Amino acid sequence: SQKIEQNSEALNIQEGKTATLTCNYTNYSPAYLQWYRQDPGRGPVFLLLIRENEKEKRKERLKVTFDTTLKQSLFHITASQPADSATYLCALGGSQGNLIFGKGTKLSVKP
Amino acid sequence: ETGVTQTPRHLVMGMTNKKSLKCEQHLGHNAMYWYKQSAKKPLELMFVYSLEERVENNSVPSRFSPECPNSSHLFLHLHTLQPEDSALYLCASSPFFDSNEKLFFGSGTQLSVL
Repeated sequence: SQKIEQNSEALNIQEGKTATLTCNYTNYSPAYLQWYRQDPGRGPVFLLLIRENEKEKRKERLKVTFDTTLKQSLFHITASQPADSATYLCALGGSQGNLIFGKGTKLSVKP
Repeated sequence: ETGVTQTPRHLVMGMTNKKSLKCEQHLGHNAMYWYKQSAKKPLELMFVYSLEERVENNSVPSRFSPECPNSSHLFLHLHTLQPEDSALYLCASSPFFDSNEKLFFGSGTQLSVL
C-alpha cells in the first residue's frame, strides 16, 4: 500500500539556521507534491507545489526539492525565525486528484 | 482568512446525540471535502463533492452523513458517534476536483465524543 513518511515527528533548531524537513514515499508515483503549514487549532495552509518533472521550487525563504528516483522531497526554510514554528505536512497527488498526506513534522525554532 | 468558514469551532457531544458541522466557502470553488485529523495520524479523506455530486466516500461509517445543498455549503451530520470519533474535522475546497489544485482549509471543528 502507499506509504508516506516524514522523517521525524519533531525538529528543534536555532533561530537563523536552515531547517530541513524530509518526506519519503513508497509504492506510489505521484504527479506532484505539495507542502502545507499547520498551526495549532487551525487548518493547513498551502505553501508550495512541485511537479514530478521539476527538481526544485523556491518561494521567498522556502525551497522544495523533488527526487523521483529517491522517492523523496526536501523542504528547506532558510534563516529560520520563531514565527516559522508550526507543523509542516507533505501531500502527494496523482492523476486522480486525491491528496495523500503525511503525519507532519513539528518544527520549533528557538530564539 | 482562507475563505472557508467552519462552525462550530468546538463541539462536545454524547454518544446518543445528533449534531451537524457546517462549512461555507466564499471562493467560488466547485469541489468541497471533509477530512478527519486524529492525533499522530495523517489527514484522512472522508468525502468529496464536485459540483454538488458526491464523488468519493472512503469507507466512512454510516454514522457520518454528508450533505452538499449547493456548491458553497457542505454539512456533516453526526449521530450515535463513538469516543474514537473524537478528532479535528476539517473542511476544504478547491477550484476543481481531479486536478492538482491546492486545497483551502477551514479552521476545523474540534469534536469530543463523551
